[in-house]
Amino acid sequence: GESVGLHLPTLSVQEGDNSIINCAYSNSASDYFIWYKQESGKGPQFIIDIRSNMDKRQGQRVTVLLNKTVKHLSLQIAATQPGDSAVYFCAETSPPGSSNTGKLIFGQGTTLQVKP
Amino acid sequence: DAGVTQSPTHLIKTRGQQVTLRCSPKSGHDTVSWYQQALGQGPQFIFQYYEEEERQRGNFPDRFSGHQFPNYSSELNVNALLLGDSALYLCASSRSGLPLGEQYFGPGTRLTVT
Repeated sequence: GESVGLHLPTLSVQEGDNSIINCAYSNSASDYFIWYKQESGKGPQFIIDIRSNMDKRQGQRVTVLLNKTVKHLSLQIAATQPGDSAVYFCAETSPPGSSNTGKLIFGQGTTLQVKP
Repeated sequence: DAGVTQSPTHLIKTRGQQVTLRCSPKSGHDTVSWYQQALGQGPQFIFQYYEEEERQRGNFPDRFSGHQFPNYSSELNVNALLLGDSALYLCASSRSGLPLGEQYFGPGTRLTVT
């Protein structure tokens, strides 16, 4: 079955350093990927997305990289701040006509801890 | 403009009981999805409602059912509660035709089954 998994459960970084959070997915039919941030007591919040016809997309302080060959996704956060401390999830979905159309499949999450 | 709202925030139920959770979507959104998030896990898709019908369903038993009203709000019902149903239940709303990245999540309802 499909699954989206994260390589590390917890990542601890120093404030100001760059963070890299990784994600592996198994469904080669997935064509759309999203990174979410979830703070304690809140629902997931959209960070950035990428479609399968791209290999890189940049936002404000964040970059998502997609390697379809090895089915790997990463989120890079530049100059990590204490407010970035949260759990980060990758999620994937499939194009219309597939079994996963319209629903997101989430990984287990990586906890990012930012040390001051 | 209010975002996605859910009620109640927390509730405690006993095994075998039934529970109803409620969700009001973000203004302008017509599609509501429900997710179950166990402690320390990622959200798992339960089902999605559009035009008052269940459009997509995840791997959840029939004990989980839902409804969408003409004003696009939605309810999630769980019958014959089990201890394993204890989780955070998230509602997400979106507008049909837009990418799922345009989906907004509510804060969730924390359900504890004892």
